[in-house]
Order: sequence, then C-alpha cells, then structure tokens
Amino acid sequence: QIQLVQSGPELKKPGESVKISCKASGYTFTDYAMHWVKQVPGKGLKWMGWINTYTGKPTYADDFKGRFVFSLEASASTANLQISNLKNEDTANVFCARSDYSGDVAGYYFDYWGQGVMVTVSS
Amino acid sequence: DVVLTQTPPTLSATIGQSVSISCRSSQSLLDSDGDTYLNWLLQRPGQSPQLLIYSVSNLESGVPNRFSGSGSETDFTLKISGVEAEDLGVYYCMQATHAPYTFGAGTKLELK
Repeated sequence: QIQLVQSGPELKKPGESVKISCKASGYTFTDYAMHWVKQVPGKGLKWMGWINTYTGKPTYADDFKGRFVFSLEASASTANLQISNLKNEDTANVFCARSDYSGDVAGYYFDYWGQGVMVTVSS
Repeated sequence: DVVLTQTPPTLSATIGQSVSISCRSSQSLLDSDGDTYLNWLLQRPGQSPQLLIYSVSNLESGVPNRFSGSGSETDFTLKISGVEAEDLGVYYCMQATHAPYTFGAGTKLELK
C-alpha cells in the first residue's frame, strides 16, 4: 500500500538547523511530485512548495525562500526538507504530500499525506 | 495570493443531519485549461489531512458518497448528506489553480 512515512519530532534552538525526511513506498517515487505543507499548532495549512522527484528541481512559495531547501535521495525514495537558522515562528507540524505532475507543473491535488513532523524551536 | 473564505467557522450537527460548508475565492478558480482546481480535505483530530473531493466535484477513491461538492468560478460548496461520527474534524478547501496553492481557514464540524 502507498505510504509516506516521515521522520520523528525535532526540538531545536533558534539559529540551529533541522532536516526532516519523507520516505515513500508502494509506488514509483519519481512518478509523483512531493509537496511540503506547514501547520502551526491549532491553525490552518500553508503550502511551502514542491519538488520534481524526477529532475530534483524545487519550487518554493515566497514565504519559504532562503532558509528552506527541498532535496531528494531518489535511490531511497525519500524527500527531505532542511530548514536553517531556525526561528521561533518555524515551530509547526510539517507534512509531506504527493501529487502527480507533468514537467515543471505540479499536480492539482494531494492524494497521500505523511503523518507529519512536529518541529519545535525554543531556547 | 488567492484568499479562500470558508463559512461557517464552526458547524454543530447531529448524527444523520445534512450540512453544507461554503468556500468563496477572491479570484476565479477556472483555469485556462478549462478545469477548476478546488479541492476539499478533512483533518480528523490528531491526523493528517485527507483528500475528499478534487476539482470541485470528483469524489476521491474510498470516500463515502454522502460527500459531494459543487460550485464554479468563485463559489463552492461541500455537502455531507447524513453526518456520521467519523466525519467530525476540520474541513479545508484548497485551490491549486493559482500559485501559490492556498487553503481556507477551515470549518470545524462538531457533534451537537
């Protein structure tokens, strides 16, 4: 069955970096794009961007340019998100979610989601 | 960015009651390819969001047919025909016509 399994919770201090992973199984990894979605506890959902799992090309939403890096370990069917210079406002649950895609155009809905990774930034 | 306004923010229902949630967009969601990329998701407490309906009215595989979606351009509705206990949680609309993809603020469905 199709699964997206994310890494465990993270507790970091401001200024540190974190790398979270999303391991896909049950389908051909490069046939689907991977998106990242942020949810501050008790709040709504915010799209962070996506990565083309075939070419490795990332696309970032404006609020997530600069400190955020999407990457792949395609041989391990894994997508990663690294956040550097962490700030208190990065405290959130972060989900990966897959969509289909065509070239540089991401798909239009997310049919499978990871379980989420809680990133807590606190001094 | 496209703003999606969901109403009501909270909905109280009894089991078996039919309810509707509205999602209004600040811009038309009709894409140049003729499709309209407005989706509905449910996030149950402590869980990840799950896709219910895509492209306005298409039921995702495995989703009960008591869920239905309708609408066009800027005005969309999710209807649940006969609420069941497992339907409780927060419902989000999401648009994927315009980058960046955006979500509504959510509608919390509670038991009355």
